Amino acid sequence: AQSVAQPEDQVNVAEGNPLTVKCTYSVSGNPYLFWYVQYPNRGLQFLLKYITGDNLVKGSYGFEAEFNKSQTSFHLKKPSALVSDSALYFCAVREIGTLTFGKGTMLLVSP
Amino acid sequence: NAGVTQTPKFQVLKTGQSMTLQCAQDMNHNSMYWYRQDPGMGLRLIYYSASEGTTDKGEVPNGYNVSRLNKREFSLRLESAAPSQTSVYFCASKGEARSSYEQYFGPGTRLTVT
Repeated sequence: AQSVAQPEDQVNVAEGNPLTVKCTYSVSGNPYLFWYVQYPNRGLQFLLKYITGDNLVKGSYGFEAEFNKSQTSFHLKKPSALVSDSALYFCAVREIGTLTFGKGTMLLVSP
Repeated sequence: NAGVTQTPKFQVLKTGQSMTLQCAQDMNHNSMYWYRQDPGMGLRLIYYSASEGTTDKGEVPNGYNVSRLNKREFSLRLESAAPSQTSVYFCASKGEARSSYEQYFGPGTRLTVT
């Protein structure tokens, strides 16, 4: 079975600093990888995906993610964090018919 | 274009009561999903429907039933609610375009079973 791991329950960063939210995956075959964000009391919103092609994927709200096949990682990054980026972030991998999600990482950006 | 809608937003049930959570999408998507979200557990798939007329079990189907009423609607039923089913429930849908794998989520239903 395919799986994703998000090793950090919470990431704290100061506004203006770069941020990284980590994700590693385990799949058989080519990975299809996703990042979603959940703001308080809201549903999940799609941020970006890696299917094939360039290892650096750009998404919504200035986020990007780097696919690293040798390290089986798909870390989410942003060059300069905003307080409004504070939210719960989920990494996911596609399985046949659906997605398998990680447990989520809470990102807290302090002013 | 409302996307994915869910009703109700909040619900409190007593143990043993039944209820149906409603989900509808207006994006003409074939695939629809029901997840539950619990603290520290991420999202876990309960059931999904790849197309109208088909449903399949996900990771945690016990205690739930689903109905794909038509292409737009996918309901989740709790026949006899238990406190372990206290959770936030999300419905999602997905298009079938070759380049489209992402799911679109509704706002969720917060269910408490006492």
